[in-house]
Amino acid sequence: AQKITQTQPGMFVQEKEAVTLDCTYDTSDQSYGLFWYKQPSSGEMIFLIYQGSYDEQNATEGRYSLNFQKARKSANLVISASQLGDSAMYFCAMREGGGATNKLIFGTGTLLAVQP
Amino acid sequence: NAGVMQNPRHLVRRRGQEARLRCSPMKGHSHVYWYRQLPEEGLKFMVYLQKENIIDESGMPKERFSAEFPKEGPSILRIQQVVRGDSAAYFCASSPLSQGTDTQYFGPGTRLTVL
Repeated sequence: AQKITQTQPGMFVQEKEAVTLDCTYDTSDQSYGLFWYKQPSSGEMIFLIYQGSYDEQNATEGRYSLNFQKARKSANLVISASQLGDSAMYFCAMREGGGATNKLIFGTGTLLAVQP
Repeated sequence: NAGVMQNPRHLVRRRGQEARLRCSPMKGHSHVYWYRQLPEEGLKFMVYLQKENIIDESGMPKERFSAEFPKEGPSILRIQQVVRGDSAAYFCASSPLSQGTDTQYFGPGTRLTVL
């Protein structure tokens, strides 16, 4: 069964520093997608970044990059130059590819606190 | 281009009442997904719908829960005879296609409280 594991319940980072949020996944599919979402205290879910299983390069979106290591089944999120507004819950998610369903499987999340 | 709309944002119901949650997908999106987030947990998939069709309802509880996405109008998640355990945030997401790299964009959620 597909599974997403986020082992860090909470993280602290100093403003302006980089931080890595860990995510490992388990799937037997060859085609899948990996996503990161941000959930601030206001509660909405904000899409950050996507990585396809066949993408050869790591995805980047502004200050966000995804460190994709397929052999290790990891998809860590790297946030560079942290800002106070980055304080939020971060969820890693996986979508199976090739089937009729498009559902996302979420990890339990990592709460990031950016300190001034 | 408006994002995914959900209403109401907050809903309070007494045990035994019905809850109706609405979701309007992003313009041009014909695929809708519902997820539930219990307190202190990640999101759990409930159901995936296209216009007038339920594609995958593997995450829906067998009783009291139903979902629809009619040809016209928003998608509706309906919970009959609510119980305290139904208290959660319910998120709707939409995407334009079901395959490939299409990202699901989420609405702001409806926070259901059952008294």
